[in-house]
Amino acid sequence: EVQLLESGGGLVQPGGSLRLSCAVSGFTFSNYAMSWVRQAPGKGLEWVSGISGTGGSTYYADSVKGRFTISRDNSKNTLYLQMNSLRAEDTAVYYCASRYYDILTGYMWFDSWGQGTLVTVSS
Amino acid sequence: QTVVTQEPSFSVSPGGTVTLTCGLNSGSVSTNYYPSWYQQTPGQAPRTLIHSTNIRSSGVPDRFSGSILGNKAALTITGAQADDESDYYCVLYMGIGFWVFGGGTKLTVL
Repeated sequence: EVQLLESGGGLVQPGGSLRLSCAVSGFTFSNYAMSWVRQAPGKGLEWVSGISGTGGSTYYADSVKGRFTISRDNSKNTLYLQMNSLRAEDTAVYYCASRYYDILTGYMWFDSWGQGTLVTVSS
Repeated sequence: QTVVTQEPSFSVSPGGTVTLTCGLNSGSVSTNYYPSWYQQTPGQAPRTLIHSTNIRSSGVPDRFSGSILGNKAALTITGAQADDESDYYCVLYMGIGFWVFGGGTKLTVL
């Protein structure tokens, strides 16, 4: 059974830092690119960041570029999101998601999701 | 700035058919954007419904279908049921590792 379990959320002051983790089981982690997707209270989904299966390529939405760092440890089957210089607008539930790549068609999509971890940025 | 557009809300009668769309503020949506659709109920994680424009994920009822309609991606629910009342999100792949979600459609079944 595929499982993605986020942790590390909590209350942090503006300007502070937090590191989220996503522990994965049930599939070969290193074969999958991964992403973080967030959802502010009452709002829609927002793609935040992505990382290739090897960790060699990383991508960021403009809203977090320069403040957030995505990484992974394939030996621990774990994805991370280091969040620095946090702002009130970063308050959201953060989901990790695996990105499936169909080698035959080249199509990609988010196929599995964690349950999310809540990050609240407030003084 | 790329904006993916969705209807903010839609209503359908039980047993009825509804089509939700996913467009771009500039240009047309094609299969090259790998459109996919996700269902989310309050307090829950998103669930993958449709990927690769029109492929149902495992376990998704066949009343859900995806397509390209004109210049938009579309999610059609045929024979809507009460438990289809959810938020629906599309996402498009912009290339070079970047994705953009639509704002979501809140579907009411009544």
